[in-house]
Amino acid sequence: GAVVSQHPSRVICKSGTSVKIECRSLDFQATTMFWYRQFPKKSLMLMATSNEGSKATYEQGVEKDKFLINHASLTLSTLTVTSAHPEDSSFYICSAEGLAVRSYNEQFFGPGTRLTVL
Amino acid sequence: GQQLNQSPQSMFIQEGEDVSMNCTSSSIFNTWLWYKQDPGEGPVLLIALYKAGELTSNGRLTAQFGITRKDSFLNISASIPSDVGIYFCAGVMNRDDKIIFGKGTRLHILP
Repeated sequence: GAVVSQHPSRVICKSGTSVKIECRSLDFQATTMFWYRQFPKKSLMLMATSNEGSKATYEQGVEKDKFLINHASLTLSTLTVTSAHPEDSSFYICSAEGLAVRSYNEQFFGPGTRLTVL
Repeated sequence: GQQLNQSPQSMFIQEGEDVSMNCTSSSIFNTWLWYKQDPGEGPVLLIALYKAGELTSNGRLTAQFGITRKDSFLNISASIPSDVGIYFCAGVMNRDDKIIFGKGTRLHILP
């Protein structure tokens, strides 16, 4: 089956530092990946759509200079949280778009990255 | 924009009980999806529904695509401890459209 990995699974950093999170599709190629943010006991919030070879598309209200996305290859997208602050602490989940299945494009989710900013 | 209203927000049940949750929208969707998120993990697809009126099962889980295409239901029979988690409904209008997620139903099983 399609597997998506994220690294690191947990990260704790000091306020003001930048943190990079990697999302990899291990056994398939994904021209499109998605980045979500999830607060405790809250739903998934789509942050941006990452497109291989082009700029990411950010959802309204998401600062593109704060959350840098790079989709360098068909199997790797990275999210960099720049100058992280405690309010950026959250669970970040990526997903990779697979093949079209009947009427939709499948999304396979990574296991998530727990970011804690002190 | 498109929104999915998922209810209930959370459920506290006894092991062995059946569970029902639903998702409604003011918009029509052509595909309905149900995902489960275990604590500390990413969501995993449980059931995909492609046609109005379709009823699909996956083990103890059964989901239905509403006739109006504006709603979907998920039932879990004879709940067990590993059913704990967040269940998300999701809808897709057309193939290349984004998947729209509901806010989730948190299932808790009382000891």
